[in-house]
Amino acid sequence: KAGVTQTPRYLIKTRGQQVTLSCSPISGHRSVSWYQQTPGQGLQFLFEYFSETQRNKGNFPGRFSGRQFSNSRSEMNVSTLELGDSALYLCASSLLSGTGLNEQFFGPGTRLTVL
Amino acid sequence: GDSVTQMEGPVTLSEEAFLTINCTYTATGYPSLFWYVQYPGEGLQLLLKATKADDKGSNKGFEATYRKETTSFHLEKGSVQVSDSAVYFCALSDQGGSEKLVFGKGMKLTVNP
Repeated sequence: KAGVTQTPRYLIKTRGQQVTLSCSPISGHRSVSWYQQTPGQGLQFLFEYFSETQRNKGNFPGRFSGRQFSNSRSEMNVSTLELGDSALYLCASSLLSGTGLNEQFFGPGTRLTVL
Repeated sequence: GDSVTQMEGPVTLSEEAFLTINCTYTATGYPSLFWYVQYPGEGLQLLLKATKADDKGSNKGFEATYRKETTSFHLEKGSVQVSDSAVYFCALSDQGGSEKLVFGKGMKLTVNP
């Protein structure tokens, strides 16, 4: 079974631009979560989607948004990029949602650099 | 809100040394507790988990016991190998509403032969 895939793996943008990251979950998984990983703040939850609905949202500004499609693939968008948005963005998928018991499977991440 | 505090390191050990990584948590409910590991250049992988008090999670020689009285979930391994070199994250999930994980800052472990 293929794992979680994220595209692109690396991205370089300049301040003020916008970016879209993509995540394909493991086949059959309906929950997709996004995390931002930085050396200073560590791993921080961005949002979770289940069956095309946002279940939960972290403490990030409105410039960060996401969505999930009917095939469970998910995208996240960051508008008006700032230098501080440089990070590794990780996507995780799980079979179900809402129990807190499910193992989450992480993709390799997208490394975003903002210049 | 919920939070996780863990040893941050970095830590360097010799092969076959004993490993302990401390992790404590703050949560309003009864969270599930996890240890994830991140190898260089890869995403996170679940190492072990425990879903209720006194549960012991174990995998690949690693163990951790859910201690509600001390709000802790310390990771231990009796004899580390070079292949255990990675970053280790303690995390919790609040078992209600979503699959959101709250992570500690992570600890980088290097094991030398």
